[in-house]
Amino acid sequence: DAKTTQPPSMDCAEGRAANLPCNHSTISGNEYVYWYRQIHSQGPQYIIHGLKNNETNEMASLIITEDRKSSTLILPHATLRDTAVYYCIVGSHNNFNKFYFGSGTKLNVKP
Amino acid sequence: NAGVTQTPKFRILKIGQSMTLQCAQDMNHNYMYWYRQDPGMGLKLIYYSVGAGITDKGEVPNGYNVSRSTTEDFPLRLELAAPSQTSVYFCASSSRTGLRTDTQYFGPGTRLTVL
Repeated sequence: DAKTTQPPSMDCAEGRAANLPCNHSTISGNEYVYWYRQIHSQGPQYIIHGLKNNETNEMASLIITEDRKSSTLILPHATLRDTAVYYCIVGSHNNFNKFYFGSGTKLNVKP
Repeated sequence: NAGVTQTPKFRILKIGQSMTLQCAQDMNHNYMYWYRQDPGMGLKLIYYSVGAGITDKGEVPNGYNVSRSTTEDFPLRLELAAPSQTSVYFCASSSRTGLRTDTQYFGPGTRLTVL
């Protein structure tokens, strides 16, 4: 199963874009990239996912490199409520979509 | 829809006691999962199920058992509680439609302390 690498922490000013990177160099062709976040000790919250193309929804944008070995989650206008741990995960329906979490990136949004 | 629900929210056990953590989903999802999260760490997969009557081990199954008799419920059993099982436990579910598997939806968690 592909594993991911993320920086342990990042800071972002409120109102600015937060760009969270993730490396998944061993990703296979049928594996999706998922992003979740966890606020305090609540259950992880789904943000966005993609396979090859860039994706956008009401929460965020996901940019996946052409070789699919890395991706970036973009929160366009970070607020204090976006302070959380962000997890980048790869998963595949061929493997029952089992998730293997790393330690994630703690995003600190500052006023 | 209530989504994924977990009971209890909190529990303190003594070493050697047993308990069952309950998980239910009302989204008619095929797949269900149990994770544990230790302080400052990411979630680790304990067990998962792809349908009623079918379960399999994840990364850290030792000390736990599961069963899946219905689509809706996926209880996690701790037989002989140990301090190393002090953790927050999350249940999740996802569906499979055709060749695609939907994303996972997580419950609010059960915080377990073993003393």
